[in-house]
Amino acid sequence: DAKTTQPPSMDCAEGRAANLPCNHSTISGNEYVYWYRQIHSQGPQYIIHGLKNNETNEMASLIITEDRKSSTLILPHATLRDTAVYYCIVSRLYYGGATNKLIFGTGTLLAVQP
Amino acid sequence: EAGVTQFPSHSVIEKGQTVTLRCDPISGHDNLYWYRRVMGKEIKFLLHFVKESKQDESGMPNNRFLAERTGGTYSTLKVQPAELEDSGVYFCASSQGGLRGPLHFGNGTRLTVT
Repeated sequence: DAKTTQPPSMDCAEGRAANLPCNHSTISGNEYVYWYRQIHSQGPQYIIHGLKNNETNEMASLIITEDRKSSTLILPHATLRDTAVYYCIVSRLYYGGATNKLIFGTGTLLAVQP
Repeated sequence: EAGVTQFPSHSVIEKGQTVTLRCDPISGHDNLYWYRRVMGKEIKFLLHFVKESKQDESGMPNNRFLAERTGGTYSTLKVQPAELEDSGVYFCASSQGGLRGPLHFGNGTRLTVT
């Protein structure tokens, strides 16, 4: 699975959009971009994933560049509860019982400021 | 639906003792994973069950770790005998079979070996 690069930390004002970048220049054609986050003292939480089209769900939006070498996770209206470490993970899509061996890097610590 | 449940949430044991961690996955999820984060390091994969079978245990650090999944339901991870370097947070995750869906993580068991 391809390696990702994220800034170690970011700040965001409460109520504003948080834009978290991720570089994955070695991504393969069959690899998806996944985002998870870990709020303090909790387990990682799935946010969103995508292949090449932009995706949106109730939590966030994912913008993937046309060349797929980078992406941005957008939290449209950040709240204090969004303070967490955000992980960008590139992984193939397996079917059946194949092992989903997520590779967590160091992520981005997003601090939402009041 | 109930999430992934792990027990205990914290465990403090002495070096050389035995500890058993338990994970109850989301009902109906065939895939069950164990991950861990040791102090100062990234979250790492340990092993993967498909129902009651071990699909991949390449991340298990050594033979002091034994994982079981009785009847394809809950899973246990036993550490015997525990060493200081086993201290960390052990996460369990589950996902549905078939298409590789996102992993749902529990809040982890924090293990401290003194």
